Amino acid sequence: DQQVKQNSPSLSVQEGRISILNCDYTNSMFDYFLWYKKYPAEGPTFLISISSIKDKNEDGRFTVFLNKSAKHLSLHIVPSQPGDSAVYFCAASFFGNEKLTFGTGTRLTIIP
Amino acid sequence: DAEITQSPRHKITETGRQVTLACHQTWNHNNMFWYRQDLGHGLRLIHYSYGVQDTNKGEVSDGYSVSRSNTEDLPLTLESAASSQTSVYFCASSEAGGNEQFFGPGTRLTVL
Repeated sequence: DQQVKQNSPSLSVQEGRISILNCDYTNSMFDYFLWYKKYPAEGPTFLISISSIKDKNEDGRFTVFLNKSAKHLSLHIVPSQPGDSAVYFCAASFFGNEKLTFGTGTRLTIIP
Repeated sequence: DAEITQSPRHKITETGRQVTLACHQTWNHNNMFWYRQDLGHGLRLIHYSYGVQDTNKGEVSDGYSVSRSNTEDLPLTLESAASSQTSVYFCASSEAGGNEQFFGPGTRLTVL
């Protein structure tokens, strides 16, 4: 049972445009969400997170939106740059549990 | 600088052999995790530890074991390697009570 889902395995976006990566979850107990970025032959690196008490968190070019009623979050990258080409994983956890449940990942390709 | 390292980075072994993958972190984190990454499955949790002498099973623990004798290390052992265990393995660590996990560079294991 996949509790965190990323339904788009891949996404291609022109350089300078907005990239939107989506993630859905089924477990309503989840109250903390993270996005990780992964380059080939490297480990995932933390990008941005959001707590369920917020609906938006912004860090430079990266913004994460959370819609609790829809159990949906999205990562917006504006403007997209070639260095953003990577696999992006969303992850979720709940209070008092430090384990993360990961989605299957979305491969983002930025076209110059 | 604090870091998390994994060794070896690449390993080829034969079915039935015992294999141990090393993970060492200098963050002084209480929590350590082992994941495997496979296409279509994202990152799946194998085992985790919240401190010395503490170990717990994750969602895909069959055929794997861990032990935690100190804060810095969490070795992962495949008791009798199977071809289904061919994968990329990532170790991660986090602070007690923290959600953000820091990942190692990964070990690519091939079981022939």
